[in-house]
Amino acid sequence: KAGVTQTPRYLIKTRGQQVTLSCSPISGHRSVSWYQQTPGQGLQFLFEYFSETQRNKGNFPGRFSGRQFSNSRSEMNVSTLELGDSALYLCASSWEGGGQETQYFGPGTRLLVL
Amino acid sequence: KQEVTQIPAALSVPEGENLVLNCSFTDSAIYNLQWFRQDPGKGLTSLLLIQSSQREQTSGRLNASLDKSSGRSTLYIAASQPGDSATYLCAALGDSNYQLIWGAGTKLIIKP
Repeated sequence: KAGVTQTPRYLIKTRGQQVTLSCSPISGHRSVSWYQQTPGQGLQFLFEYFSETQRNKGNFPGRFSGRQFSNSRSEMNVSTLELGDSALYLCASSWEGGGQETQYFGPGTRLLVL
Repeated sequence: KQEVTQIPAALSVPEGENLVLNCSFTDSAIYNLQWFRQDPGKGLTSLLLIQSSQREQTSGRLNASLDKSSGRSTLYIAASQPGDSATYLCAALGDSNYQLIWGAGTKLIIKP
């Protein structure tokens, strides 16, 4: 069974631009969670989607948004990029989500904002 | 507010040694405690998940324990191998908001 895939793997943007990241979960998984990883703040929870609905949200500004499609694929969007948004963005999928079961992570998208 | 701490931040040991990684959390109201490893340039791999009602979980050479009353979890690695070199992260799932709060990780190097 194919693992979690994320595209693109690397991305360079400039301040003020917007970016969309994509995550394809393991087949059959309905939950997709997104995390931001930076050297200073470590790993932080962004949000979780389940059956096309945002089920949980971390403490990030509204510039960070996401959505989930009927095939469970998810996208994350960051608008008006800031230098501090440079990070590794990870998505994870699981059957029922909610953090109550094993999550399977993708390789991440490394975003650099100049 | 939940805070998760991992000590030490880095650890280097010779191959074959048994070792313990530590994770502490400030709020005992957790649903579970999870251990992951992260290899350079790769995502995270789930190692063990301990439910709040459990005391420990084992997988191969790995054993994780949980003591909610003291706010501590340990990951025991037996007979370490160079392939165990990675960053190990623990994360606590709050039992009300169901959000994982992560430690900063312990970077482990196993010397051949």
